[in-house]
Amino acid sequence: EPEVTQTPSHQVTQMGQEVILRCVPISNHLYFYWYRQILGQKVEFLVSFYNNEISEKSEIFDDQFSVERPDGSNFTLKIRSTKLEDSAMYFCASTAGVLLQGYTFGSGTRLTVV
Amino acid sequence: DAKTTQPPSMDCAEGRAANLPCNHSTISGNEYVYWYRQIHSQGPQYIIHGLKNNETNEMASLIITEDRKSSTLILPHATLRDTAVYYCIVRGVGDDKLIFGTGTRLQVFP
Repeated sequence: EPEVTQTPSHQVTQMGQEVILRCVPISNHLYFYWYRQILGQKVEFLVSFYNNEISEKSEIFDDQFSVERPDGSNFTLKIRSTKLEDSAMYFCASTAGVLLQGYTFGSGTRLTVV
Repeated sequence: DAKTTQPPSMDCAEGRAANLPCNHSTISGNEYVYWYRQIHSQGPQYIIHGLKNNETNEMASLIITEDRKSSTLILPHATLRDTAVYYCIVRGVGDDKLIFGTGTRLQVFP
């Protein structure tokens, strides 16, 4: 069964450093997403991406965050200057059709900011 | 905020049917009901979705009341691997995101 692949599975970074989280969505999917989950809290929407541009973003997704689809397969989330409160699980998701299909989520990247 | 209300936790014996309820009394005509689950901090997993008719797939059945104000996810023969947090999510045409609530933590016991 096709999977969404995320790397690395765990990233530890110092406060103020830049991190890039990587995702390989399912190959025929067109819509891409990033979500995050702080330990013990809800899964929160960050951003959606379609046709090489952001279609929607949440209040969490401020100027420190950016997304990119640098080639035909990768989808990345960059955090420019990490803060302690950015520590969370970050999930990438993709879907072929926005409404009539479910999303496929990756297994996540655990980001720890120290 | 999530548009759904779910009990915080439920138990189910292995091999029995697990019936997980969800209230979505403010659902509008073009909004679908989706169910996902999250097993121990893994990525959420899509289970099933429906608009107004009952739906069944290899994982579960979804029963939506006639007034569409509530639904029930049925796992017909729960196994220990079905222990997870189950999320009921309402999403409509033009919604480009899923809004997760706190879900129902289902514990399947031997």
